[in-house]
Amino acid sequence: DGGITQSPKYLFRKEGQNVTLSCEQNLNHDAMYWYRQDPGQGLRLIYYSQIVNDFQKGDIAEGYSVSREKKESFPLTVTSAQKNPTAFYLCASSSGGDPTQYFGPGTRLTVL
Amino acid sequence: EDKVVQSPLSLVVHEGDTVTLNCSYEVTNFRSLLWYKQEKKAPTFLFMLTSSGIEKKSGRLSSILDKKELSSILNITATQTGDSAIYLCALNYGGSQGNLIFGKGTKLSVKP
Repeated sequence: DGGITQSPKYLFRKEGQNVTLSCEQNLNHDAMYWYRQDPGQGLRLIYYSQIVNDFQKGDIAEGYSVSREKKESFPLTVTSAQKNPTAFYLCASSSGGDPTQYFGPGTRLTVL
Repeated sequence: EDKVVQSPLSLVVHEGDTVTLNCSYEVTNFRSLLWYKQEKKAPTFLFMLTSSGIEKKSGRLSSILDKKELSSILNITATQTGDSAIYLCALNYGGSQGNLIFGKGTKLSVKP
């Protein structure tokens, strides 16, 4: 089955810790995205990558970092510099030229 | 300033009602507008609309873009409890910061 997987589903972090959220896709999509969703808010773009070994900051990149070493993988690290990291994180991918993005099931991060 | 504004933000109806969700945007030079349904986790793609103005339909759902009014509507007829979800509108304007700009969503609750 083709799709996007995210892990873990739920993640708890202590203040001052870095955590990494996994996103893997087997759709052979070139582009991948990370969004953050807070209650009552839409999806806000954190980082995106159109091609392997290249990525760009989105609207709210501060306190986050990413890498794109493989086409199918786009992990997101939430660093201790992110002041309010508790949120629902969604990963998405799309095929070149098609704006339709397909989403993973999300990771809910809670800072204790 | 929000480029994509959805209204209402929340809506409660009873089964069998017809609902109309609205998405307004400020960007005039855009490529397409997308609608997603988000139940608990991953947003799932519903429709993509272009400036051609052609209505898209799928079962009880339909959507159309009004270029003059800079808006799109999503209609759901004969609503069912399974239609309860957040409906997200996203604009594909082809800018540098990723492909899509999302509205905050409309939370629809359908009561039996």
